[in-house]
Amino acid sequence: QQPVQSPQAVILREGEDAVINCSSSKALYSVHWYRQKHGEAPVFLMILLKGGEQKGHEKISASFNEKKQQSSLYLTASQLSYSGTYFCGTGSGNTGKLIFGQGTTLQVKP
Amino acid sequence: NAGVTQTPKFQVLKTGQSMTLQCAQDMNHEYMSWYRQDPGMGLRLIHYSVGAGITDQGEVPNGYNVSRSTTEDFPLRLLSAAPSQTSVYFCASSYSVLGHRANYGYTFGSGTRLTVV
Repeated sequence: QQPVQSPQAVILREGEDAVINCSSSKALYSVHWYRQKHGEAPVFLMILLKGGEQKGHEKISASFNEKKQQSSLYLTASQLSYSGTYFCGTGSGNTGKLIFGQGTTLQVKP
Repeated sequence: NAGVTQTPKFQVLKTGQSMTLQCAQDMNHEYMSWYRQDPGMGLRLIHYSVGAGITDQGEVPNGYNVSRSTTEDFPLRLLSAAPSQTSVYFCASSYSVLGHRANYGYTFGSGTRLTVV
């Protein structure tokens, strides 16, 4: 079952914050976050393995609520380089099987 | 260290033709997967593998075959191409999560843009 991302699209001004949510109807073992620029391959941002774990990558951080089967990606003080499509991927065990959401398009304007 | 290499980058096929998309990685990753990406559909898992000799079906496996005889290679075969298989195909690889328990996600190849006419 494909995880559901919200919102589908976000438009920001430089310096503004954004939150992208990812929810699943299945129990989760891990949540991955990736960013894809137009015409390029997705690039790994971070992985979360434990309930309630939070990680950061520069000004991008994420949380994972295992009980609620949800993860959120936080982008603070957004930069033009943050523009792209963000995907969450959910894993249900140590199987290598990673199912992606439909993506959230983020556009940062000057 | 080339990462994940996909060939070809572009391909046009006629309906009914067969072909193999190649994928090779030089990072000694256990996991390898194939995804297709269509506008508005995100990345959909076709097949995946947890190691040499072990493969399993993903979300959209029909019309595709895979095999993994070595750790490095994971080719995707289209048996009889159909216009519905027009898409961008990505191969990806990763360390197994339990084996390394680190911040390792999937590394993606640059993709193959396939058009079936």
